[in-house]
Amino acid sequence: GQSLEQPSEVTAVEGAIVQINCTYQTSGFYGLSWYQQHDGGAPTFLSYNALDGLEETGRFSSFLSRSDSYGYLLLQELQMKDSASYFCAVRFRDDKIIFGKGTRLHILP
Amino acid sequence: DAGVIQSPRHEVTEMGQEVTLRCKPISGHDYLFWYRQTMMRGLELLIYFNNNVPIDDSGMPEDRFSAKMPNASFSTLKIQPSEPRDSAVYFCASSLGQSYNEQFFGPGTRLTVL
Repeated sequence: GQSLEQPSEVTAVEGAIVQINCTYQTSGFYGLSWYQQHDGGAPTFLSYNALDGLEETGRFSSFLSRSDSYGYLLLQELQMKDSASYFCAVRFRDDKIIFGKGTRLHILP
Repeated sequence: DAGVIQSPRHEVTEMGQEVTLRCKPISGHDYLFWYRQTMMRGLELLIYFNNNVPIDDSGMPEDRFSAKMPNASFSTLKIQPSEPRDSAVYFCASSLGQSYNEQFFGPGTRLTVL
């Protein structure tokens, strides 16, 4: 079977660092993406990892370990505007994409 | 570019009625995706097209759902007849093959079936 697991909610403090984990059970895995979605908005692409290791884009970084079937999104210097839901998504070799249920990030001032 | 355009933004209809959702992808993008989002089931891929051809429709929940892409700039998702459990936000997204994983989502259509 194919499944993605992420925590349903995470809370962090403004200015801090937070890590959102994503574990998957799948075969024929191609890569892991991350999307951000604000309430009432559409998902927006953040990053994609095709290879193991860390990808950095400004305050956001994403990590993938194929051997551990695990990835995470790291958000640094948290700002209030980062309050949103974050989704990991797996791309399979047949190009099909499955999204996780999302992690709602709450940021406290 | 105006981004992915969807219409209508909101649709309220009664059970049994036909509903048609519309999508205009970003010009030049060769992949188009239809998603449904609910609190219970999250974001689900319904169907996707490559160069106007349906590639995988295994996510389409029932025969009541159908999707077409008559040309590179237009796609429709139709529900006939609609049921209350179809109430959800429906997103259309597009991407360019060489950067397939970066999907650009439209604003979505919030569908309510009474």
